[in-house]
Formats: sequence, C-alpha cells, structure tokens
Amino acid sequence: QVQLVESGGGVVQPGRSLRLSCAASGFTFSSYGMHWVRQAPGKGLEWVAVISYDGTNKYYADSVEGRFTISRDNFKNTVYLQMNSLRPEDMAVFYCAKEVRGLSVFEHWGQGTLVTVSS
Amino acid sequence: EVVLTQSPATLSLSPGERATLSCRASQSVSKYLAWYQQKPGQAPRLLIYDASNRATGIPARFIGSGSGTDFTLTISSLEPEDFAVYYCQHRSSWPITFGGGTKVEIK
Repeated sequence: QVQLVESGGGVVQPGRSLRLSCAASGFTFSSYGMHWVRQAPGKGLEWVAVISYDGTNKYYADSVEGRFTISRDNFKNTVYLQMNSLRPEDMAVFYCAKEVRGLSVFEHWGQGTLVTVSS
Repeated sequence: EVVLTQSPATLSLSPGERATLSCRASQSVSKYLAWYQQKPGQAPRLLIYDASNRATGIPARFIGSGSGTDFTLTISSLEPEDFAVYYCQHRSSWPITFGGGTKVEIK
C-alpha cells in the first residue's frame, strides 16, 4: 500500500534553514507528481509546492517563492523541501502528498512533520 | 490567484440529517474542484475530485456538484463519522489554493 513518511521537522530559529524529506513506497514513485501542503496550528490547509514526476517542472505558493525549493530523487523514492529564511509564520505541520496521476489532487498523504520557528 | 470561499464556517446538524456545504471561487475553475475531509490529528482525506467524481472507497452519500464558480458538497445522511472539517481545493491554475474550511459539528 502507499506510504509517505515525512521527516526533518523540528525547532528552528527565524532566518535559519531546514530540509524536509518524504520517503515514498508502495507505488511507482517516478510516475507521480508530488506536493507539499502545510497547516499552521489550528488553521486551514495551504498548498506549498509541487514537483512533476520527472523533476522538470516546479511551482510554488507566493508565500514561499524564492525561499523554499522542492526537489526529488527518483532512485531514492524521496521528495524534499529545502526551506530557507524561515519565518514565524512558516510554523506548521508539513504534509507531503501524492497526486492522483496527472491531476493535482491529493489522494495519499503522509502523517506530517511539525516545523516550529521560534527564537 | 483563485480565492475559494467556503460557507458556512460551521454547520450544526444531527446524525441522519442532510449537510450542504458551499465553495465559491473568485473566478471560474471549470470543473477542477476537489473536496477533502479532515478529522482532528489526521491528514486530510480526498472525497471528491473534478467537482463530482468520488475518490476510491468514498461512500455514495458524499455527492459533489457544480461548475465554474459555485460548487456544493452534499452529505445525504450524516453518519457519526462524518463530523469533521471539510475543505475545497482547486487545480485550475497555479497556485493551487484551498478554501478556509467548513466544520460540520454535532448539534
């Protein structure tokens, strides 16, 4: 069955960096676009970024453009989110999500990893 | 970017009642609207995509409708496990956005 396991969350000071990872299994990873979606404590869902199945296309939310970078390693079945210049408002649970093939809707989600930005 | 507005913010209903949730887009998203259910401490669950297509394993009581700017998620008869927060999401253009959510609570 599909499994998505995020890691890399933790407490970080404003202005610092953090890299999240999402290890995937149970499907042909190299055939699917992958997304990051976040949820601030007690708030709604916010889409963050997407990377196409082959890594050639990437899109970002305006709120993270220029600070966050999404990447993938199809040999390791892993998608990453490099987060630089973190701000207090970036604090959230970050989910990786597998899309329905060819559609940017999220059929499978990880359990999430919490990023806390605080001095 | 497309702004999705969900209403009402909270819906207080009893099991067995019909729930009607609305999602309005600031511009046309064609049919490219999805619905998710989220329970406390859990990741969201895809219910409906492309306005009216049920995702795998989703019960028939969840019905999506609409196109353009106005969409509706109907739960025909609420089961106890349906009390949760529901989000809509479009995929018509970048960036993808979500609505603010509707909480369906037990009356």
